[in-house]
Amino acid sequence: ETGVTQTPRHLVMGMTNKKSLKCEQHLGHNAMYWYKQSAKKPLELMFVYSLEERVENNSVPSRFSPECPNSSHLFLHLHTLQPEDSALYLCASSRGGNEKLFFGSGTQLSVL
Amino acid sequence: QKEVEQNSGPLSVPEGAIASLNCTYSDRGSQSFFWYRQYSGKSPELIMSIYSNGDKEDGRFTAQLNKASQYVSLLIRDSQPSDSATYLCAVGPSGGYNKLIFGAGTRLAVHP
Repeated sequence: ETGVTQTPRHLVMGMTNKKSLKCEQHLGHNAMYWYKQSAKKPLELMFVYSLEERVENNSVPSRFSPECPNSSHLFLHLHTLQPEDSALYLCASSRGGNEKLFFGSGTQLSVL
Repeated sequence: QKEVEQNSGPLSVPEGAIASLNCTYSDRGSQSFFWYRQYSGKSPELIMSIYSNGDKEDGRFTAQLNKASQYVSLLIRDSQPSDSATYLCAVGPSGGYNKLIFGAGTRLAVHP
């Protein structure tokens, strides 16, 4: 148990569906992240929220929409995804700066 | 483009041997370095962090950092089959907070 809780663990959705991933951290950290992990590729940083300020990777499509209502909760809203979006989506938190990350268990997403 | 490079492997070592995992990075100003272990189907877990040149030991694990050569390594002594996993190198770049850059990982296989 890393102190970062991520749900759901598995998600199968059609291209027209709307779903949300949820993440909660109990570590008192100041920064939360969404990463995408595809097979054989490095972890790809999608979004960072630090002290409620959002920093994003400009290459992430607009069909992914993050929300961070407070420093302990993070959501990733998904809509009209494509099959190539199928991947493991990881939430993480840290104290900020370039400090160590603590990961949630991940959501294995399949888009049909 | 700031990059972190790792040999994808698999690196195969016999039980009880020393496993040596290597990582190079392109940003000379990087200040923080991490090794994560990821079992198949699981999220990454932090096993070592290192911030200054030299060696850092923790149990069977030793991280080595050489900033002049832009090189960081992980040694696993007395390798066990349970060490079989993918090892991810992560680097905190200069001038960019909250943006650890990950390598694609090296798969380690420890055989009895």
